[in-house]
Amino acid sequence: DIVMTQSPLSLPVTPGEPASISCRSSQSLLHSNGYTYLAWYLQKPGQSPQLLIYLGSYRASGVPDRFSGSGSGTDFTLKISRVEAGDVGVYYCMQLLRTPLSFGGGTKVEIK
Amino acid sequence: EVQLVESGGGLVQPGESLGLSCVVSGFTFSNYWMAWVRQTPGKGLEWVANINTDATTKNYVESAKGRFTISRDNAKNSLYLQMTSLRVEDTAVYYCARSSNGAFDLWGQGTMVIVSS
Repeated sequence: DIVMTQSPLSLPVTPGEPASISCRSSQSLLHSNGYTYLAWYLQKPGQSPQLLIYLGSYRASGVPDRFSGSGSGTDFTLKISRVEAGDVGVYYCMQLLRTPLSFGGGTKVEIK
Repeated sequence: EVQLVESGGGLVQPGESLGLSCVVSGFTFSNYWMAWVRQTPGKGLEWVANINTDATTKNYVESAKGRFTISRDNAKNSLYLQMTSLRVEDTAVYYCARSSNGAFDLWGQGTMVIVSS
């Protein structure tokens, strides 16, 4: 099974400043089709998760360009160029390369 | 409007059964793989099962194998999760999700399942 590990566990951020979350997989997420099956989600307080990034670096519809995904193989990063108050919540990475599909443990982003 | 609406959650005793439903609207249900994901109280997310467009392929997390059954009715735009032999550790909010472009791009609001004596 593929294990997903996120860091940090908690991330206090200052509005207007950048933020970065790391995600590491126990196996490469590169498919033979050339795509990397890594997604990022944000779960705002009291809400369902919402998709931010798919296939490693593609922003989902409606997601501000402040959010970007990067990385390859087993190491991935979600970056927020300028954090806004509405970005608080728990961020999860997820691998969809092979079953059992698996999520990282989450990174809680809160405003300082 | 695109929507996924789960129902069927509730309080059951260990060993009992429960069936969840997810009715979708706003997109062509039969074109998409679908999945169930759960979230234990205060904890993270766990993929439970997924199903392909014509229900010929179904995958489960190890803890669900032999106890849970995912199914779909494309004519009714509905996804189901039949859960048997429920355990305390199955207590969670259960979400249905649409799978597209290598991600779960749409999620329902969730339905709560509590397994307790």
